[in-house]
Amino acid sequence: KQEVTQIPAALSVPEGENLVLNCSFTDSAIYNLQWFRQDPGKGLTSLLLIQSSQREQTSGRLNASLDKSSGRSTLYIAASQPGDSATYLCAVPYNNNDMRFGAGTRLTVKP
Amino acid sequence: GAVVSQHPSWVICKSGTSVKIECRSLDFQATTMFWYRQFPKQSLMLMATSNEGSKATYEQGVEKDKFLINHASLTLSTLTVTSAHPEDSSFYICSARDRDIRDTFGSGTRLTVV
Repeated sequence: KQEVTQIPAALSVPEGENLVLNCSFTDSAIYNLQWFRQDPGKGLTSLLLIQSSQREQTSGRLNASLDKSSGRSTLYIAASQPGDSATYLCAVPYNNNDMRFGAGTRLTVKP
Repeated sequence: GAVVSQHPSWVICKSGTSVKIECRSLDFQATTMFWYRQFPKQSLMLMATSNEGSKATYEQGVEKDKFLINHASLTLSTLTVTSAHPEDSSFYICSARDRDIRDTFGSGTRLTVV
């Protein structure tokens, strides 16, 4: 059974700091891994998708890495801004079925 | 990029009434759509998997007679909450999967049952 864990559950940083969010999964047989952002009461915004054959993806200040063998992914946010405050979720397709989500990391960037 | 439209974005209904939520893939065909539910400060939990032209597969603990799912075409799935009760108040999100096993999510529906 695929289980996805995210650490830390919550993170508060001052504006401008670089930060890393962690995601781990128990079954390394994944097609891909996605990082999402969710604002309070809102839907999901896809940030980055890493295919199983890739090791990282970059979009602006965001960089996501994937290490399938160790069952880990990280989301690196450079020069954080207050607008980055949100909950970040990682997810993997499970057994060609639904997505399995981590519980999320709630990020607060203080001005 | 792929877009999934989910309507309505929010709805308030009286106890005992039914509410229908639509999920449409606008620019791709989705043989599989998923319906998730999210309680405050919790992650998404899968409710059911919807395959075009066949009956939905429900997760354990989800009442199929209460949460009716119809996947009538490759671009449309609907979730109907029947005889809604206050405990059904939640945030419902759908997703549509393309051939590359990439899921695109709708913007969600906030249901409040009063």
